[in-house]
Amino acid sequence: NAGVTQTPKFQVLKTGQSMTLQCAQDMNHNSMYWYRQDPGMGLRLIYYSASEGTTDKGEVPNGYNVSRLNKREFSLRLESAAPSQTSVYFCASRKTEGQLFNEQFFGPGTRLTVL
Amino acid sequence: AQKITQTQPGMFVQEKEAVTLDCTYDTSDQSYGLFWYKQPSSGEMIFLIYQGSYDEQNATEGRYSLNFQKARKSANLVISASQLGDSAMYFCAMREGYYNTDKLIFGTGTRLQVFP
Repeated sequence: NAGVTQTPKFQVLKTGQSMTLQCAQDMNHNSMYWYRQDPGMGLRLIYYSASEGTTDKGEVPNGYNVSRLNKREFSLRLESAAPSQTSVYFCASRKTEGQLFNEQFFGPGTRLTVL
Repeated sequence: AQKITQTQPGMFVQEKEAVTLDCTYDTSDQSYGLFWYKQPSSGEMIFLIYQGSYDEQNATEGRYSLNFQKARKSANLVISASQLGDSAMYFCAMREGYYNTDKLIFGTGTRLQVFP
C-alpha cells in the first residue's frame, strides 16, 4: 500500500496563476482532509470531505476550492495564487468505520511557493 | 472555541533520558480525542498516540505514554529512554466534531532535540 500520495512535491507559482494539488489514498478511507502548515503555526484545516460527494470548509478555506473526485482522490485548487498561500500543504485520510477515534494518515506534503 | 496550547517551542534531552512535552487544551465538549504526531526533518506526519476523553487509563505505545489529566485539561506526551531518532517536531492535536465530520485542531508544536 502506498498510503496517501500527493503530487507535486514542490511547486513554484507566480501571483495570479492557478494550480491543482492532487491527493490519493489507497486505504479505502471515507474521510479526507487538506491542511496547510506555516512556520510557527502548526497545521490548519483548509477543507475536508467526510465521504465521496461531500466537502466542507475548515478553518482557512478562502482562496481554495476542493473536489472529491471519488473515494480515493481529493484535490485542492488555487484559482489565483497569492504570496500568502506560500506554505506546505498536507493531505490526510481517515477510516471512519470501526473505532470512533481513528487517527488521520498524512501524505508527504507539497511545498508551494508563490512569488 | 476549541484550542490546543503547546508552550514549549523547544526542548533538549540527553539520549536515554525521559522527556515530557506539554499540551493543554480547551473544549466545552464532553467527548473528544487527543493525538500526538511526530514530524521529523523529512516533513512527514507520523501518528504516535491517542487518548479518548472517556478513557480511564493513560494511553501507552511503546516508549510513548500520554499523561492525561482531565481536570487540568492537559495531555502531556512522555517519551522514555530518548533516542537520537526522536529529534523532531511534536504536535499535539484535538479532535473536533463527531464521527465522520471530525477535524483535528493542532498546536504550534515543540521541537525536541536529543543529544548524545
